[in-house]
Amino acid sequence: NAGVTQTPKFQVLKTGQSMTLQCAQDMNHEYMSWYRQDPGMGLRLIHYSVGAGITDQGEVPNGYNVSRSTTEDFPLRLLSAAPSQTSVYFCASRRDGGNTIYFGEGSWLTVV
Amino acid sequence: RKEVEQDPGPFNVPEGATVAFNCTYSNSASQSFFWYRQDCRKEPKLLMSVYSSGNEDGRFTAQLNRASQYISLLIRDSKLSDSATYLCVVTSSGSARQLTFGSGTQLTVLP
Repeated sequence: NAGVTQTPKFQVLKTGQSMTLQCAQDMNHEYMSWYRQDPGMGLRLIHYSVGAGITDQGEVPNGYNVSRSTTEDFPLRLLSAAPSQTSVYFCASRRDGGNTIYFGEGSWLTVV
Repeated sequence: RKEVEQDPGPFNVPEGATVAFNCTYSNSASQSFFWYRQDCRKEPKLLMSVYSSGNEDGRFTAQLNRASQYISLLIRDSKLSDSATYLCVVTSSGSARQLTFGSGTQLTVLP
């Protein structure tokens, strides 16, 4: 039972590079989301999706793109990495109407 | 003002102690409330939901005060394994029912 799988776990980028964080869930959850976690800031919502083909912005969407072509996958794209995007990123999912949110193990991203 | 505020701690308590965390939220329309636990360099995991009548799960007791807009978590007989960061989580109303996380309270239980 894989749950929520995100890759890579660690990544170092140079300023201006682009990359995609992958996220997949095998629980057939409608709702998926991406958070970033910074010291003293808690988890902040970047983008979310309530189903395939539907995405919306969260609290801190600038510099990130998402797409949801299937129920299972919800990749997060960094368009042009900046040092301010150095953070830990968590993908999460839950079923529609459910209360429990399931997180991936996190992706540690450093932009130099 | 943050939507969800917690005392960041750290709380350093001896084994066997009782410790309590509080969390306040600003949106009176918030619908659901939770405590999540996050171990160092790990993902958050649901510890327990918080119900209006208060609820207990073993050594953990959660309470909600809607009038004052705060929730609390009480841990009795602390164990070394309780050392973690505890995140207060509040959901908004609306179809997406977004979760808003507090920044967490760090607990270290000392032998």
